Amino acid sequence: KQEVTQIPAALSVPEGENLVLNCSFTDSAIYNLQWFRQDPGKGLTSLLLIQSSQREQTSGRLNASLDKSSGRSTLYIAASQPGDSATYLCAIISGGYNKLIFGAGTRLAVHP
Amino acid sequence: ETGVTQSPTHLIKTRGQQVTLRCSSQSGHNTVSWYQQALGQGPQFIFQYYREEENGRGNFPPRFSGLQFPNYSSELNVNALELDDSALYLCASSLEPRGSGNEQFFGPGTRLTVL
Repeated sequence: KQEVTQIPAALSVPEGENLVLNCSFTDSAIYNLQWFRQDPGKGLTSLLLIQSSQREQTSGRLNASLDKSSGRSTLYIAASQPGDSATYLCAIISGGYNKLIFGAGTRLAVHP
Repeated sequence: ETGVTQSPTHLIKTRGQQVTLRCSSQSGHNTVSWYQQALGQGPQFIFQYYREEENGRGNFPPRFSGLQFPNYSSELNVNALELDDSALYLCASSLEPRGSGNEQFFGPGTRLTVL
């Protein structure tokens, strides 16, 4: 059974720090991996999608990497800002019909 | 281009009642998936609809059912509501159910409270 784990569960950092969020999954036979951002009580905003054949994706200050063999992905956020405060969710797609399997998320607080 | 929309935004029901939640997919998307997110947890897959047919189902009882219409909008119906059904219900649409067009885009969610 595929399981997704995110570490740490919560993180509080001062503005300007570079930070890394971790995601691990138990079965390397994934189709792709997606990182999302969720503001309190809101829906999910897709940040980055990494296909299984790719090693990383970049968007602005965000960089996500994927290592299928070790069952790990990292989300790197450069020069963090208070507006980055949110919950970050990692999800893998496994199976023939694009079911997303989510981790519980990392709750990030960036303080001025 | 219109994104994924959901209605209503909030809903309060009592145990035993029935509820219908609605979702309009992003323009051009023929696949809709529904997820349940309990407080403090990641979303859990309920089911997916592709071209008006159920295309996969998670570990949810039959009292969770759905529909997809010819315009690819979708409904989630929950019968005999239980207290544990209180959650944020998220709808996601994608271009196709699999392949390179499978990036999923989420709506703002419907917050259901069961008393």
